[in-house]
Amino acid sequence: QQQVKQSPQSLIVQKGGISIINCAYENTAFDYFPWYQQFPGKGPALLIAIRPDVSEKKEGRFTISFNKSAKQFSLHIMDSQPGDSATYFCAATVNNDMRFGAGTRLTVKP
Amino acid sequence: NAGVTQTPKFRILKIGQSMTLQCTQDMNHNYMYWYRQDPGMGLKLIYYSVGAGITDKGEVPNGYNVSRSTTEDFPLRLELAAPSQTSVYFCASSSYRGHTEAFFGQGTRLTVV
Repeated sequence: QQQVKQSPQSLIVQKGGISIINCAYENTAFDYFPWYQQFPGKGPALLIAIRPDVSEKKEGRFTISFNKSAKQFSLHIMDSQPGDSATYFCAATVNNDMRFGAGTRLTVKP
Repeated sequence: NAGVTQTPKFRILKIGQSMTLQCTQDMNHNYMYWYRQDPGMGLKLIYYSVGAGITDKGEVPNGYNVSRSTTEDFPLRLELAAPSQTSVYFCASSSYRGHTEAFFGQGTRLTVV
């Protein structure tokens, strides 16, 4: 059972464009929603995270939008750059259990 | 500051062989995790530990064992390796249960043939 569903599986964006990755979750007990960025050959690294009591969090070019009633959250990357090309994972956490989405491979073309 | 260190980086095992994946962290984190990453499947939690001497099963524990004798080390043992265990394995640690940043190692790519 995939508790966190992520889409799209892959995404190609032109430099300067907006990248949008969506996630949906099922377990309403989840209470922390991080996004991880992974470059080839590396482990995932935390990019940005949000708690369900806020609807939006922005850090630089990266924004999380959170819709608690719809059980959905999304990552927006503004002014996408070739250096943003990586795999992005959304996750949802409750207690010691962190469930990941399947990942989105983002390619930003120069 | 090394963070989370995993060894080896690559390994090829024959079916039925056993091995231990090593994981060490130097951040004095209580919480440590083992994940496997399969293409298109995200990361699946195998086992986790909330402190020395305490471990618990995650989402996909079958075929694996762990131990946590010290705060720093959290080895993952594969007994009787099977092709289905071909994957990339990541160890991670965090200072608190899941609500803070998890720091990941660089991974171990394991192939069972």
